[in-house]
Amino acid sequence: GENVEQHPSTLSVQEGDSAVIKCTYSDSASNYFPWYKQELGKGPQLIIDIRSNVGEKKDQRIAVTLNKTAKHFSLHITETQPEDSAVYFCAARSRNTGKLIFGQGTTLQVKP
Amino acid sequence: GAGVSQSPRYKVAKRGQDVALRCDPISGHVSLFWYQQALGQGPEFLTYFQNEAQLDKSGLPSDRFFAERPEGSVSTLKIQRTQQEDSAVYLCASSRAGGLYGGELFFGEGSRLTVL
Repeated sequence: GENVEQHPSTLSVQEGDSAVIKCTYSDSASNYFPWYKQELGKGPQLIIDIRSNVGEKKDQRIAVTLNKTAKHFSLHITETQPEDSAVYFCAARSRNTGKLIFGQGTTLQVKP
Repeated sequence: GAGVSQSPRYKVAKRGQDVALRCDPISGHVSLFWYQQALGQGPEFLTYFQNEAQLDKSGLPSDRFFAERPEGSVSTLKIQRTQQEDSAVYLCASSRAGGLYGGELFFGEGSRLTVL
């Protein structure tokens, strides 16, 4: 079945620096890759997503890149702010099963 | 409602008790998903409904877990004879579209179950 690996598990950056989180997936039939932000005591919230026919997508300070050949995708946050501190999850959905499979999460801490 | 609503937010159960967790999805959303999130882990798929039909229950960990969505809106996840390993946050999500391309998932805040 689909497996999604996410690194690093924790990431600490200074305010204003960039943060990069990487994920790999195993199912070549995966075609949808969302990223979620989860704050303490809350449910995951979609922040950006990318489909397999696109290599890169950007939304203000957030960008996602996808390398289908290598089966990996990354989240880039620029000009980080303390309110970016949260747990971030990548996910992949196979067009065969429709199930969204999540990575293990990255705890991002942005120090003021 | 404006978002996915789950209740109770917190539930403490003694081992062996039955529990029921409720999910009220966004009005009109066709698809509904249940996920289990253990502490420090990513959500893991449990089951999926399209309207009232349970199309995938492959993630339910045992026959003690049962989910229903009888009228295609509110869903209930029931856990019978709870065990300590059932302790987790149970997340419900809904999406507007049906089928394998369900589109963006909107998550509720979860129900945290603690089994003593």
